[in-house]
Amino acid sequence: DTGVSQDPRHKITKRGQNVTFRCDPISEHNRLYWYRQTLGQGPEFLTYFQNEAQLEKSRLLSDRFSAERPKGSFSTLEIQRTEQGDSAMYLCASSLGSQGDEQFFGPGTRLTVL
Amino acid sequence: AQRVTQPEKLLSVFKGAPVELKCNYSYSGSPELFWYVQYSRQRLQLLLRHISRESIKGFTADLNKGETSFHLKKPFAQEEDSAMYYCALVPVGGSYIPTFGRGTSLIVHP
Repeated sequence: DTGVSQDPRHKITKRGQNVTFRCDPISEHNRLYWYRQTLGQGPEFLTYFQNEAQLEKSRLLSDRFSAERPKGSFSTLEIQRTEQGDSAMYLCASSLGSQGDEQFFGPGTRLTVL
Repeated sequence: AQRVTQPEKLLSVFKGAPVELKCNYSYSGSPELFWYVQYSRQRLQLLLRHISRESIKGFTADLNKGETSFHLKKPFAQEEDSAMYYCALVPVGGSYIPTFGRGTSLIVHP
């Protein structure tokens, strides 16, 4: 296990297209987070899962965004009808799920919407 | 709503100088505070958390509830400390939604 992995690392798409990103967390981790990061900003929380249950979702998250973690292992983040404002780095992180635990981040997927 | 403020976008010091990266937070309940670091071409990783009260790579941070601050300090900066530093807050007992500051870029000159 080499840590959290994300695929693809880069994605260029045209406005209006749908994109899907995948995150593979550390195998024994129960919690999985998705963040978005734009230039000059810190990671912005999007959503998180405890096993397969999606427990929290940011109010800022458009209904064009959807995330799944069907078997409590890997997760996917889909963006429908992409807009130029969706261009950002999308980060995934996982943790054991206990209070105060460390989040382990993936390398991110950089999305560019033309 | 919780908020994390890192007032400095950039902090530039010379090797051997003391460093203090500021982090202020607002949250009505009890928070857990973290510092994450991102070195060039590497992924974001935990540096330290307040509940551990530990020193990592010579860095320390004390939670000051009166001033709602969690400043990161190191007495003698090294060139390898150059990185982006993010302060993060997680509510205790409520929704487990982390909030990150915008980050401070630390550059340590030789």
